[in-house]
Amino acid sequence: GAVVSQHPSWVICKSGTSVKIECRSLDFQATTMFWYRQFPKQSLMLMATSNEGSKATYEQGVEKDKFLINHASLTLSTLTVTSAHPEDSSFYICSARVGGSGETQYFGPGTRLLVL
Amino acid sequence: DAKTTQPNSMESNEEEPVHLPCNHSTISGTDYIHWYRQLPSQGPEYVIHGLTSNVNNRMASLAIAEDRKSSTLILHRATLRDAAVYYCILMEYGNKLVFGAGTILRVKS
Repeated sequence: GAVVSQHPSWVICKSGTSVKIECRSLDFQATTMFWYRQFPKQSLMLMATSNEGSKATYEQGVEKDKFLINHASLTLSTLTVTSAHPEDSSFYICSARVGGSGETQYFGPGTRLLVL
Repeated sequence: DAKTTQPNSMESNEEEPVHLPCNHSTISGTDYIHWYRQLPSQGPEYVIHGLTSNVNNRMASLAIAEDRKSSTLILHRATLRDAAVYYCILMEYGNKLVFGAGTILRVKS
């Protein structure tokens, strides 16, 4: 299957700083990428849908100015958590949909963020 | 997105088949039935999907009821590595995946 990577796999930062998470499709081109967040013992929550070359579409309740998403190429999307606070500590997961194959999404391994 | 209902948890013995049920009584004609699983501290992994007919792949089989209001994911021989949270999700073609609570599968050796 297609491979999606994320970097970093974990990050610890101080409150008030910004953190950038990268999501790459390694062996395919992804016209659409998705960002999810998962708190402990909860399911994944979709944050936003990102299409290459256009603005991301955010789900209701997700602050677009706090979670900046850039999808500059068909293999790279980035999520920047701006002015991070302890409540932003979570497991962030991206996924990519293969253009043309329709429905299947391939997920990255996730990035664990801890804000002190 | 149409809703699915899954048991909170299930238990299986190693080397035995596992049948994971999913109810989706409000499914529409254009909804695909997707199954993903998530191992601890990892991103979800695609398992299988289908529309109307039963589907088989190297990981599992998907049995879809004739009225499409329910489906069953079948793992033919459970191993300890199959212990995960299994998500049954309805999705229109080209749309987004919205995860529910899923079923926690425990596999006993």
